[in-house]
Amino acid sequence: AQSVTQLDSHVSVSEGTPVLLRCNYSSSYSPSLFWYVQHPNKGLQLLLKYTSAATLVKGINGFEAEFKKSETSFHLTKPSAHMSDAAEYFCVIKAAGNKLTFGGGTRVLVKP
Amino acid sequence: EAGVAQSPRYKIIEKRQSVAFWCNPISGHATLYWYQQILGQGPKLLIQFQNNGVVDDSQLPKDRFSAERLKGVDSTLKIQPAKLEDSAVYLCASSLVITSGDYNEQFFGPGTRLTVL
Repeated sequence: AQSVTQLDSHVSVSEGTPVLLRCNYSSSYSPSLFWYVQHPNKGLQLLLKYTSAATLVKGINGFEAEFKKSETSFHLTKPSAHMSDAAEYFCVIKAAGNKLTFGGGTRVLVKP
Repeated sequence: EAGVAQSPRYKIIEKRQSVAFWCNPISGHATLYWYQQILGQGPKLLIQFQNNGVVDDSQLPKDRFSAERLKGVDSTLKIQPAKLEDSAVYLCASSLVITSGDYNEQFFGPGTRLTVL
């Protein structure tokens, strides 16, 4: 079975500093991986996706993620955090039939 | 373009009562998903429809949960009777019809927050 593990349940950063959210995956074949963001009282929104093309994937709002097969990782980064980045972030892996399996989530707090 | 609509946004009930949630997907989206998101966890797929047929309901607790999508458009999810552990946010998502191994992006609604007392 495919799964993802988010290594940090909470991350706190200062505005203007880099953000790193860590995700490891387990899959018996080449995976499709995603990051979704969930702002309070809003629906989940797709940030970016990896589907076996370029290993460095750029998403919306300045986020990017790098797929590393040797490390089975798909970490999400942003060079400079903004207050609007405060939200919960989910690492997600796709199974057959367009089904998604979500990680436990990382809540990001941005301090002024 | 209108997004996925859900109602109600909040619901509080007592255990053993019944409750129903409604979802209207994005126009033209043949595939509809219901997820359960317990506080502090990621969403978990309960059931997936393609048009008005069930694709996967392996994670749906069928002794108390039911869902339907009679005309292949909007859908209802029902819990009867509710238990304390059903307290969660229930998310609806929709996507274009699944035709291959490629990912068809799922678009999520704002969710219904259920509290069972």
